[in-house]
Amino acid sequence: QVQLVQSGAEVKKPGSSVKVSCKASGGPFSTYAITWVRQAPGQGLEWMGGIIPIFGTTHYTQNFQGRVTITADESTSTAYMELSSLTSDDTAVYYCAKEGGTARYFESWGQGTLVTVSS
Amino acid sequence: DIVLTQSPDSLAVSLGERATINCKSSQSLLYNSNNRNYLAWYQQKPGQPPKLLIYWASTRESGVPDRFSGSGSGTDFTLTISSLQAEDVAVYYCQQYYNTSGLTFGGGTKVEIK
Repeated sequence: QVQLVQSGAEVKKPGSSVKVSCKASGGPFSTYAITWVRQAPGQGLEWMGGIIPIFGTTHYTQNFQGRVTITADESTSTAYMELSSLTSDDTAVYYCAKEGGTARYFESWGQGTLVTVSS
Repeated sequence: DIVLTQSPDSLAVSLGERATINCKSSQSLLYNSNNRNYLAWYQQKPGQPPKLLIYWASTRESGVPDRFSGSGSGTDFTLTISSLQAEDVAVYYCQQYYNTSGLTFGGGTKVEIK
């Protein structure tokens, strides 16, 4: 089964950007979609967008259009999520997840990366 | 976007009793061409990422205990824990993947022991 390991916690200033990585192992990275979901403290889950590495195609929710960029490096089996123009509202745990082979549910998840935005 | 409304927000159930969680969609999640409902359920324990329990509304993920079951079609769905165990204390989320450009989750239901 595919395992996803994310980069460590980050503390950022308002207005800056953050880039979180998600390294996959145990499966053919390029052929499945990786998605990003965030969870603000004490809140629910919010889908941000995803990428299919083999095609390079990306989808983003409108809530983050223009602020989020999702990329993938097939040579290292790593996906990245970069979020810009950070505000305190972006303080959250960010998860990457592998989508199902035939549909967009999330079979396996990374451990999460806490991003704290504070001046 | 498709809105998923879960109920109740929380529930307390005695060990060994049944827990029922509802998820109502703002539009049908049934894709007529394949007769499948594009809905999944997840379990999230404190400090952990979510875990996939059910997909296609009623297909149990490998390794998930059979006390967990999903049912429903169209706009109304249910996750049932037939005999609550202590390790089932968690928040449960439904998620629709019918609209592939706008994936959404329900607000979550917290399950506790009475």
